[in-house]
Amino acid sequence: NAGVTQTPKFQVLKTGQSMTLQCAQDMNHEYMSWYRQDPGMGLRLIHYSVGAGITDQGEVPNGYNVSRSTTEDFPLRLLSAAPSQTSVYFCASSYGHTQYFGPGTRLTVL
Amino acid sequence: AQKITQTQPGMFVQEKEAVTLDCTYDTSDQSYGLFWYKQPSSGEMIFLIYQGSYDEQNATEGRYSLNFQKARKSANLVISASQLGDSAMYFCAMREGGNTDKLIFGTGTRLQVFP
Repeated sequence: NAGVTQTPKFQVLKTGQSMTLQCAQDMNHEYMSWYRQDPGMGLRLIHYSVGAGITDQGEVPNGYNVSRSTTEDFPLRLLSAAPSQTSVYFCASSYGHTQYFGPGTRLTVL
Repeated sequence: AQKITQTQPGMFVQEKEAVTLDCTYDTSDQSYGLFWYKQPSSGEMIFLIYQGSYDEQNATEGRYSLNFQKARKSANLVISASQLGDSAMYFCAMREGGNTDKLIFGTGTRLQVFP
């Protein structure tokens, strides 16, 4: 039982490049979400999904796309990376009162 | 709009002493949940404790307890018998009402435990 896994752990992009952050969970949780963590600002919700085929925007969705084709996977796509997207990204899945967070991806956009 | 406020950027506590980390919240929902997470220097988010808005008793989990004062809209975390391993960032978070698990986080408090 791996819980929530994220890849890659670290990534450096140039402005304008695109990439996908991967997130997978093996707990059969319906609810999954993506957060970003910036210094001094706590975690902020980017996008979330209440089940396969259903996604919705969070607090800071601009510049990001998501899809949920399976219960297990919830990738986050950066279409055209900007320096303002430099952050640590956390994926989470939840059941009941507990959200299980992945280890995070540290992204730097130059 | 829902909001979480943590007014203590940093706290110091001596080993074996108790410490209280403050959290106030703002919401118009009647049904909501309050959480505390620990983030050590390694970066992972560790769930500590949960309090539902309709729970009459304060939540406890081992050395962690949540001092829930609904009228004052506060949900302070109390750590008893602090250990060096408790040194970390601590985040208070709130789940909105309804059928959603969306969390709103505070800005965190950095706790340092010294010998």
